[in-house]
Amino acid sequence: NAGVMQNPRHLVRRRGQEARLRCSPMKGHSHVYWYRQLPEEGLKFMVYLQKENIIDESGMPKERFSAEFPKEGPSILRIQQVVRGDSAAYFCASTTTPLAKNIQYFGAGTRLSVL
Amino acid sequence: EDQVTQSPEALRLQEGESSSLNCSYTVSGLRGLFWYRQDPGKGPEFLFTLYSAGEEKEKERLKATLTKKESFLHITAPKPEDSATYLCAVQTIHSGGYQKVTFGTGTKLQVIP
Repeated sequence: NAGVMQNPRHLVRRRGQEARLRCSPMKGHSHVYWYRQLPEEGLKFMVYLQKENIIDESGMPKERFSAEFPKEGPSILRIQQVVRGDSAAYFCASTTTPLAKNIQYFGAGTRLSVL
Repeated sequence: EDQVTQSPEALRLQEGESSSLNCSYTVSGLRGLFWYRQDPGKGPEFLFTLYSAGEEKEKERLKATLTKKESFLHITAPKPEDSATYLCAVQTIHSGGYQKVTFGTGTKLQVIP
């Protein structure tokens, strides 16, 4: 009964490289939320996806960031041409439905360090 | 804009010393309030959901309560293993019909033996 799986757990990139973060939701969950957490700050919403659809990307920077959740396989958060300010912990959460009262369960996160 | 404020930012307790963490919120149309526990280097772990004022939930040494403007997480006779950051989050419904969750910045609890 696996929970939300994220990989890699740690990712080191040099400025200008690309970062790909993966998230496999809990079994039976088809809704994924991505959050970013900076040191001493709360979790900030980035994007909400269903299978093959981006529903809400209002929290995601318009440049360099993109997300997808294909019909098969994990959800991917992609950051192109990374900068030092992208260093943070990125978490994904999944739910069974996006309706009220449904709990978001979180993965262990990917810690991105940009050198 | 939904806002969640947690206090104190950090709390240091002696083992067995009971206390409370506060979460105050300003939202339009609260659907649920969540408490999570986050250990260093890990993801948030779900603890409780509260849906209406007056509701209470308990789990071991933790008890969560909810009013119309705030929630409290009461910790009774804490142990060192209760040391963690406790996150509060509010759930509302976006105009598109799906949930939106806004998190506070957390209270970092340290319990000293």
